[in-house]
Order: sequence, then C-alpha cells, then structure tokens
Amino acid sequence: EADIYQTPRYLVIGTGKKITLECSQTMGHDKMYWYQQDPGMELHLIHYSYGVNSTEKGDLSSESTVSRIRTEHFPLTLESARPSHTSQYLCASSEYSGRGPAYEQYFGPGTRLTVT
Amino acid sequence: GNSVTQMEGPVTLSEEAFLTINCTYTATGYPSLFWYVQYPGEGLQLLLKATKADDKGSNKGFEATYRKETTSFHLEKGSVQVSDSAVYFCAISMDSNYQLIWGAGTKLIIKP
Repeated sequence: EADIYQTPRYLVIGTGKKITLECSQTMGHDKMYWYQQDPGMELHLIHYSYGVNSTEKGDLSSESTVSRIRTEHFPLTLESARPSHTSQYLCASSEYSGRGPAYEQYFGPGTRLTVT
Repeated sequence: GNSVTQMEGPVTLSEEAFLTINCTYTATGYPSLFWYVQYPGEGLQLLLKATKADDKGSNKGFEATYRKETTSFHLEKGSVQVSDSAVYFCAISMDSNYQLIWGAGTKLIIKP
C-alpha cells in the first residue's frame, strides 16, 4: 500500500481567499505531481517536481503555485480562489520501480475544492 | 507525439457479464502500460501493469495483455460485479520521461 496523504479532503471557501492544499508521502519518492480533475473525468497535470527545490508547470495552465522544500511534502497554494478553481485536486508520487521504464504513480485520496 | 486512446463511456453492463475496455496507444519508443481504477470519491489506484511485449498484467480478476503489434492494452474481466463500478484509466510511461500519459477514462456502470 502506498502512503500518500492529502488534507483537507473537502473544502468550501469564498472567492478571494488564499488556500493551501497539503500533500505528504512517506515513501521517500523523489517525484511528485499535482493533477486537476473534474470528478470522474480526464486528468490534467498542473505541477510536478523531480526533487527538492525543483518544480515545474504541467500541461494545463494553472493559477496555483507549488513548493518542494522537503522530499515528503508538496503543497499547492491558490493566492486568490475563484469559482473557476472548483475541482478535485489529486496528488501523486512515483519512484522508478527497477524494471523497465515503469514510473508508476501512487495517488492520494484527493481534495474536493468548492469556491463560492 | 505520444498519446493514449480509450473506449468512450459510460459502459453499462449487467452483473456477471464479460467486460472489455479498449485502450490503444501511440508511442515513439517502448512504453510501459498501466490500468488505474478510480472509485467514486477517491484517488486513483494502480490496477495492473505490463512492461514488455506479451506481458500479461492481472489483479482482482482483471487482465490486460501488452500487444506491441497492435499497440493495445485492452482491459478484460470475465464476470463483473456491482463493486467494479468505477472509472478506469489507461496510461503509458516512456523511459525518457517521468510522467504518465493518460487516456480520458472510461466510466463503468454495473447493474445488479
């Protein structure tokens, strides 16, 4: 079983608030990812990190920012939330499995964000 | 570029029916292949994987075989249950990149 945690699981906030979604993993994985997903729909990569002090934007443009100060921690911040940010945010981590190019990812349970 | 195409959903079946969800890929190299499952309100879980041609991944009664000649990795199960209702994602991983390339997902609904 993978150990990757996200808090909060559900969040309802008003427009203009600053929020931070937390993601932590206890597996020592160096690669971590944030995805945005409307429930049950396609996954969109918004940020990724290949190690401490390394962060990159993903395929989908996002107004959020991330940081990676510690291996196990990869928080996502929205400085001013808007209704268009309403979505599910999934955090994942990965490590080379040792057999072929198999960078399987392990996912947290997700944060369902609603901005009113 | 590299891409994954999945059968469009929703797929609706009766309990104990045979399931196939099609997945094909386009890749310039020799990818590893994955199926993930997402139950309602949860994150994704790895269901099975295959890393080389003719490998068969299997888990929880689901199977998929890496078919290099047809660039496919179709998911099958002989007898589905209501508890298999979920969204299923096909994905590939290239050795030149640490990211997964995802299909759009296929929603599966099993009726009792």
